[in-house]
Amino acid sequence: EAGVAQSPRYKIIEKRQSVAFWCNPISGHATLYWYQQILGQGPKLLIQFQNNGVVDDSQLPKDRFSAERLKGVDSTLKIQPAKLEDSAVYLCASSFGGHSNQPQHFGDGTRLSIL
Amino acid sequence: QKEVEQDPGPLSVPEGAIVSLNCTYSNSAFQYFMWYRQYSRKGPELLMYTYSSGNKEDGRFTAQVDKSSKYISLFIRDSQPSDSATYLCAPSDTGFQKLVFGTGTRLLVSP
Repeated sequence: EAGVAQSPRYKIIEKRQSVAFWCNPISGHATLYWYQQILGQGPKLLIQFQNNGVVDDSQLPKDRFSAERLKGVDSTLKIQPAKLEDSAVYLCASSFGGHSNQPQHFGDGTRLSIL
Repeated sequence: QKEVEQDPGPLSVPEGAIVSLNCTYSNSAFQYFMWYRQYSRKGPELLMYTYSSGNKEDGRFTAQVDKSSKYISLFIRDSQPSDSATYLCAPSDTGFQKLVFGTGTRLLVSP
């Protein structure tokens, strides 16, 4: 079974620029999550999708972050404009179905550095 | 007060040692307790989980939950250099979906 795929692995941009991350979940997984992991901290949920609908985006800074999941498969997370404090690893995870008893499988993340 | 607290470490032990990793939490609604392992530059992977209080064993790993004191532990027996990673506790009140991660404890096992 192929895992969660994320790209790019690394990205360096200057503040105020825009950036986008891509995630391809495990085939058949209906639920998709984006997390932000700042150095030395645990992952923090940004947004959760169930198929192509948003379940929880309460911690997404909506003035600069946006995410979409077209056709209920791949997803993109965008930051515009980036701030220094956005330097972090952005992790995508997916789980089968919408049940709470299905574990999340994580990708290896995109490491974002803001100059 | 953070909802989930972990000592960030690093915790350095020699190969073969018994390791104890701990978490405290404040939300009494948490019923599910997950442990994730994260290798450097990799995503977290689920190591094991328990529901409510008690112990659960899986090979060299034992997870222990004491809900009365809001204390979670992960024990690793006969630690190996391959166990060197960051260990994240992630309790939840609804199962696998709504995880609240601790900061993680970095473990270093030397040969």
